Amino acid sequence: GAGVSQSPSNKVTEKGKDVELRCDPISGHTALYWYRQSLGQGLEFLIYFQGNSAPDKSGLPSDRFSAERTGGSVSTLTIQRTQQEDSAVYLCASSLSRVRNEQFFGPGTRLTVL
Amino acid sequence: SQQGEEDPQALSIQEGENATMNCSYKTSINNLQWYRQNSGRGLVHLILIRSNEREKHSGRLRVTLDTSKKSSSLLITASRAADTASYFCATVARTSYDKVIFGPGTSLSVIP
Repeated sequence: GAGVSQSPSNKVTEKGKDVELRCDPISGHTALYWYRQSLGQGLEFLIYFQGNSAPDKSGLPSDRFSAERTGGSVSTLTIQRTQQEDSAVYLCASSLSRVRNEQFFGPGTRLTVL
Repeated sequence: SQQGEEDPQALSIQEGENATMNCSYKTSINNLQWYRQNSGRGLVHLILIRSNEREKHSGRLRVTLDTSKKSSSLLITASRAADTASYFCATVARTSYDKVIFGPGTSLSVIP
């Protein structure tokens, strides 16, 4: 079956503009994660959705960042008033359930803020 | 923080040698997972070991878990150039049931 997909693959924007990043998880996966990875660094947890539960937003770095997941499937990460320090690769992952939590990652969106 | 910390940060070995990476964490866990990231294939799940397991094998990979020391190791035997990648451990804490948190990773270079 299809894996996790993300769009766009690359996004270049100007400082101050808003951007939306999209993630399509594997069908049937109840958990969805967003991470941020700067060049040569590890994964920074941003937000976690599990089924119909309230999302865990504890990793969002500022109120300029928000995410939603519609119908328990597709998720959109929105960054408002982008700053240069937001430049990174944004990775989305999904897992089958709370118990089966091996993660399947998408290819990422490389965001460059000029 | 429950975040795992890998050791060493970077490792360079000759092809055919074994590579060992370690991960330490701070809180009690449900399970610990290892992932690999290379430029060609992105992030891929390698192996999961549960808190009641001590050792697990998958092909040339061997993972151990010592919950008393809050540490895990990943051994790659008979390394190949294709094993060149960054390796991350990820923990799932008991208190935050199934939120997966990644460590900073170990960069492995296998020299042909």
